[in-house]
Amino acid sequence: EAQVTQNPRYLITVTGKKLTVTCSQNMNHEYMSWYRQDPGLGLRQIYYSMNVEVTDKGDVPEGYKVSRKEKRNFPLILESPSPNQTSLYFCASSRERGARDTQYFGPGTRLTVL
Amino acid sequence: SQQGEEDPQALSIQEGENATMNCSYKTSINNLQWYRQNSGRGLVHLILIRSNEREKHSGRLRVTLDTSKKSSSLLITASRAADTASYFCATEKSGGYQKVTFGTGTKLQVIP
Repeated sequence: EAQVTQNPRYLITVTGKKLTVTCSQNMNHEYMSWYRQDPGLGLRQIYYSMNVEVTDKGDVPEGYKVSRKEKRNFPLILESPSPNQTSLYFCASSRERGARDTQYFGPGTRLTVL
Repeated sequence: SQQGEEDPQALSIQEGENATMNCSYKTSINNLQWYRQNSGRGLVHLILIRSNEREKHSGRLRVTLDTSKKSSSLLITASRAADTASYFCATEKSGGYQKVTFGTGTKLQVIP
């Protein structure tokens, strides 16, 4: 089954404790993205990757890091989380970059930073 | 600032009625997509319309794009309770940009 998986689904952590949210897709897609969703603000793109070792900033990259060492995986790293990073996070993948093709979304990771 | 803004923010209709929601954006685009999200879950792609297209249909969905007004509309005909969800537009700016920008969404409630 074609899918995007994220782990963990729920996470409560404390300020400053490094964390990683994993994302994996099994569709051999080149383009992957991370978004955060906050009430009233819709989804905002954090980082995207056009292929292995090619990543770029989205609209809200501050406080986040990503890496793309393998085509299927695109982890999101918060090196020193802060309460303003409490949000619902989605990973997505698509065959083509940007909005040229369907993006497939993971189920989301609800992060709370205390 | 957000590239796309949906209007209305919320919409409540009776089952069987049509639902129309609009998306406006600020700069020229290559493509515009509509997505549906059920209650905090992952988004599901509905339809893609390219900048050289004016209208597309998919089942009960009809999307229009007016590049001169920088706006798009999504029409859901003969709505069902299962259509209750939030709907988002997503755009890719023209000029070689790779970013995707989502709007703030329209929350649709279809009352049985």
